[in-house]
Amino acid sequence: KNEVEQSPQNLTAQEGEFITINCSYSVGISALHWLQQHPGGGIVSLFMLSSGKKKHGRLIATINIQEKHSSLHITASHPRDSAVYICAVKKKSSGDKLTFGTGTRLAVRP
Amino acid sequence: DAGVIQSPRHEVTEMGQEVTLRCKPISGHDYLFWYRQTMMRGLELLIYFNNNVPIDDSGMPEDRFSAKMPNASFSTLKIQPSEPRDSAVYFCASSLGGRTPYEQYFGPGTRLTVT
Repeated sequence: KNEVEQSPQNLTAQEGEFITINCSYSVGISALHWLQQHPGGGIVSLFMLSSGKKKHGRLIATINIQEKHSSLHITASHPRDSAVYICAVKKKSSGDKLTFGTGTRLAVRP
Repeated sequence: DAGVIQSPRHEVTEMGQEVTLRCKPISGHDYLFWYRQTMMRGLELLIYFNNNVPIDDSGMPEDRFSAKMPNASFSTLKIQPSEPRDSAVYFCASSLGGRTPYEQYFGPGTRLTVT
């Protein structure tokens, strides 16, 4: 079993829909990252969380440390949000290494 | 800042050849990470440096892979000899470390094809 699990693996949405991507982990962490990888391949860091909630534009990330769970929400989704979203955790036992989930491939149709 | 710079962006080589990938981290960042991404295994950490010193190389697949960071503004990842299974996208990332975890900033990646 992977230490970082994401769901769903694939997601198709209509433009304007509210989207939720989930990340569960089974280890103690010091931080959790949400990354976005566009079809061109570049990786962008969206959020880094250690508690609570962060918001940037139409993106919201939440984390529940007790439940070992994080969610990434996209409000008013747009085709340009189509990308792979990757959850990664910094384990307390592993210093500054990131352990990655397998990603959620999102397609937003116009 | 120009962000993390990687070169080359694409590399095609024949099996058995030496391949050198290069990375320039963001100025002032003291952590540098090398990752590999494949369809089968996703993103994997190969090695990371702190203040130019390798801290964890447990992800380096085998002795054919080596990485160096001779100064704070330059790192190389070398594969010698290369094999077709090394075909992947190799990302370099940098961050500002310390007691509080900091975000990692990724370079555009080098797409390596070994034929």
